Amino acid sequence: GAVVSQHPSWVICKSGTSVKIECRSLDFQATTMFWYRQFPKQSLMLMATSNEGSKATYEQGVEKDKFLINHASLTLSTLTVTSAHPEDSSFYICSARATGEQPQHFGDGTRLSIL
Amino acid sequence: QKEVEQNSGPLSVPEGAIASLNCTYSDRGSQSFFWYRQYSGKSPELIMSIYSNGDKEDGRFTAQLNKASQYVSLLIRDSQPSDSATYLCAASRGGSNYKLTFGKGTLLTVNP
Repeated sequence: GAVVSQHPSWVICKSGTSVKIECRSLDFQATTMFWYRQFPKQSLMLMATSNEGSKATYEQGVEKDKFLINHASLTLSTLTVTSAHPEDSSFYICSARATGEQPQHFGDGTRLSIL
Repeated sequence: QKEVEQNSGPLSVPEGAIASLNCTYSDRGSQSFFWYRQYSGKSPELIMSIYSNGDKEDGRFTAQLNKASQYVSLLIRDSQPSDSATYLCAASRGGSNYKLTFGKGTLLTVNP
């Protein structure tokens, strides 16, 4: 149980392109989903917290107009990196927390490379 | 600033030995603690969660929590080469969103 699916797993695109990443909880309803970014040899950095049906809460220093988050249902959240640039290249990972439970379960991550 | 500190390692143990991973946290308001395993290039996988002082055992894994000392540990018994990974300690204050603060991770290598 507690499976989180993230798609796509790998994206390579040109600078200026917008990229959309999907995060789905497959076998549970996720009240809250989280989006993280991880640079090589560093730990996970929380970008934003997303609750179904409400606006995402962004961490300090994360541009909400650049990283658009939509949590339209209890099983789906999306992250759109708008006008991506090479410095946005990173490993983006989502996680989901089931209603009434504490642990976060992670998707497989999306490796984003901007040329 | 809420921080979770881990020894970055690498920690190297022979196959069959006990691996001991340690973590300290600065936020006394932290209520819940988690250990995640992350293989290179992969996303984290939940290993253990612990919420109260003492020991919690699950198979070869034992998590220990001491809130007075703000210390969390993970013991891996009978270590296997497949346990070689980075282990992330995370703490949460709880609340409505249960945000996690992660340590930088300890790289464990189990030598055959």
